Amino acid sequence: QVQLVESGGGAVQPGRSLRLSCAASGFSFSTYNMHWVRQAPGKGLEWVAVISNDGTYKYYAVSVKGRFTISRDSSKNTLFLQMNSLRTEDTAVYYCAREEYGFGDLLYQPPHYWGQGTLVSVSS
Amino acid sequence: QSALTQPPSVSGSPGQSVTISCTGTSSDVGTYNRVSWYQQSPGTAPKLIISEISNRPSGVPDRFSGSTSGNTASLTISGLQAEDEAEYYCSSYTTSSTLLFGGGTKLTVL
Repeated sequence: QVQLVESGGGAVQPGRSLRLSCAASGFSFSTYNMHWVRQAPGKGLEWVAVISNDGTYKYYAVSVKGRFTISRDSSKNTLFLQMNSLRTEDTAVYYCAREEYGFGDLLYQPPHYWGQGTLVSVSS
Repeated sequence: QSALTQPPSVSGSPGQSVTISCTGTSSDVGTYNRVSWYQQSPGTAPKLIISEISNRPSGVPDRFSGSTSGNTASLTISGLQAEDEAEYYCSSYTTSSTLLFGGGTKLTVL
């Protein structure tokens, strides 16, 4: 079955960098568009970024554009989120998520299958 | 971009129906049929329960239904059950090539 396991979270100071990983299994990783979505403690969901199945196209939320980079390595079945210039407001649980159907148009299907998330805490 | 607008809370008794609204603009809910709804229980990842306004993924009971009218989407849960108590979020793609979520609605089953 679809499994998504995030890692790389932790405590970091403002202005520093962190790279999150999402290990995918149980499906053909290179077939699906993938998302990152975050949730600040006690707050709602906030979409972060999406990447096309082949890694060609990427879109970002305004709040992270220019600071975060989404990427993928199909040889390792892994999704990444490089987070630079971190701010206190980036503190959240970060989820990776897969769309339901493969080879789908970008910006059409919603995130369907979700991992359990990894916590990023930005504080001085 | 501001989040889609949802009521902070709704409540209902077992067996009743409740409707959660999700108000956006002509740049998101009003333009695309790409409105989805998620259910999230405390400490767990969100679960997709409605996609493309009214489609239920496999395994989601038909007690859950979705609709839209203009810039507002709605999720209706009929025959409320205790297990439906959770936080519910709507989402919509936007003309700015982003995905926007609502602020969330806490459903309490009385």
